[in-house]
Amino acid sequence: AQTVTQSQPEMSVQEAETVTLSCTYDTSESDYYLFWYKQPPSRQMILVIRQEAYKQQNATENRFSVNFQKAAKSFSLKISDSQLGDAAMYFCASNGGSQGNLIFGKGTKLSVKP
Amino acid sequence: GAGVSQSPRYKVAKRGQDVALRCDPISGHVSLFWYQQALGQGPEFLTYFQNEAQLDKSGLPSDRFFAERPEGSVSTLKIQRTQQEDSAVYLCASSSQRGHNEQFFGPGTRLTVL
Repeated sequence: AQTVTQSQPEMSVQEAETVTLSCTYDTSESDYYLFWYKQPPSRQMILVIRQEAYKQQNATENRFSVNFQKAAKSFSLKISDSQLGDAAMYFCASNGGSQGNLIFGKGTKLSVKP
Repeated sequence: GAGVSQSPRYKVAKRGQDVALRCDPISGHVSLFWYQQALGQGPEFLTYFQNEAQLDKSGLPSDRFFAERPEGSVSTLKIQRTQQEDSAVYLCASSSQRGHNEQFFGPGTRLTVL
């Protein structure tokens, strides 16, 4: 069975600073993807960034980047130049197999201080 | 439509009542997923449809939960004889293909069972 662990229930960052959210996972799948989703207080889940496990290069999307360590089964999210709008719950997720249903961690609540 | 929509957004039910939650996926999306998100937790997979076929219902917590997608578009999640432990946000997500494509989430239905 796949598991996803987020060990930081809450994090805080000063506006314009950089913050890293941690995630570890366990899977027996050989072909899988990893995701970071953002869930603002309105509750609509939005995809932040996606990493294909077979790609060694870390994914980046503007201010968001990941540090993917496949051997260590680690998948952290780095947010640079943090903005007030980045405040939200962040969920790490994995999928595998042909169906693609997501396995989520428990989430990290990110606060951004002005 | 512009995105995944769900209705109602909020539902209060008395214990023992039956409820029906609706999901309108993005037009043309083949895959549809239902997740249950308890307070302070990450979403947990309930069931998966590919077009009208329910290919995985392993996450449904009991036989009181039933989902359908008869024409391969709109889906309904029905909960019979609701219990207090059913209180949660129910999220629907759709994807253009099976497998590892991005899932687009709806705003969710918050169910409260009194």
